[in-house]
Amino acid sequence: EDQVTQSPEALRLQEGESSSLNCSYTVSGLRGLFWYRQDPGKGPEFLFTLYSAGEEKEKERLKATLTKKESFLHITAPKPEDSATYLCAVRYNTDKLIFGTGTRLQVFP
Amino acid sequence: DTGVSQNPRHKITKRGQNVTFRCDPISEHNRLYWYRQTLGQGPEFLTYFQNEAQLEKSRLLSDRFSAERPKGSFSTLEIQRTEQGDSAMYLCASSPEAQGGSSYEQYFGPGTRLTVT
Repeated sequence: EDQVTQSPEALRLQEGESSSLNCSYTVSGLRGLFWYRQDPGKGPEFLFTLYSAGEEKEKERLKATLTKKESFLHITAPKPEDSATYLCAVRYNTDKLIFGTGTRLQVFP
Repeated sequence: DTGVSQNPRHKITKRGQNVTFRCDPISEHNRLYWYRQTLGQGPEFLTYFQNEAQLEKSRLLSDRFSAERPKGSFSTLEIQRTEQGDSAMYLCASSPEAQGGSSYEQYFGPGTRLTVT
């Protein structure tokens, strides 16, 4: 069964056009939700960890939030260099991460 | 700090050959993870080590796959009798040991792209 679902699969934005990416999860006993950025042909780059509902983390134009069933990655006034695939992953009963399939973001000037 | 390194970065092999990949984690990290990623998918967990002990293996890790971390530092992942379905990016990650239920983030290397012809 799908434990981590990301939407949309792909997103095209104009530079400066803010939007949000969604990550919903069905696991119980969440022990961490992680956001990563991945550029083509490279390994995932760590962005944020969220542990409990209501928690928020920010970094430059990115802000991650967490509820009991989902997480959002808000992108404010994106730039072309923000174009990448954004991956969400959860950890619950062991130390392995369970990843979603990602959202491919393209930001056009 | 040089981050997680993986070698080789690319490997092309013929079906039936054996291949071995190496991962060097961040020096102070005692946990090391292997994942596999195919095009358009997120990484899938294969196995992980705490120091030299292999703590968990995925059902994806068939008997053709073996991983070692003999001295608790670098790790190798070997695939025997490769098949075309083994073509993927093999990612290694490392993290400090989680304490008190907290979950430390995993830092990924650049990956080894395997192509089986």
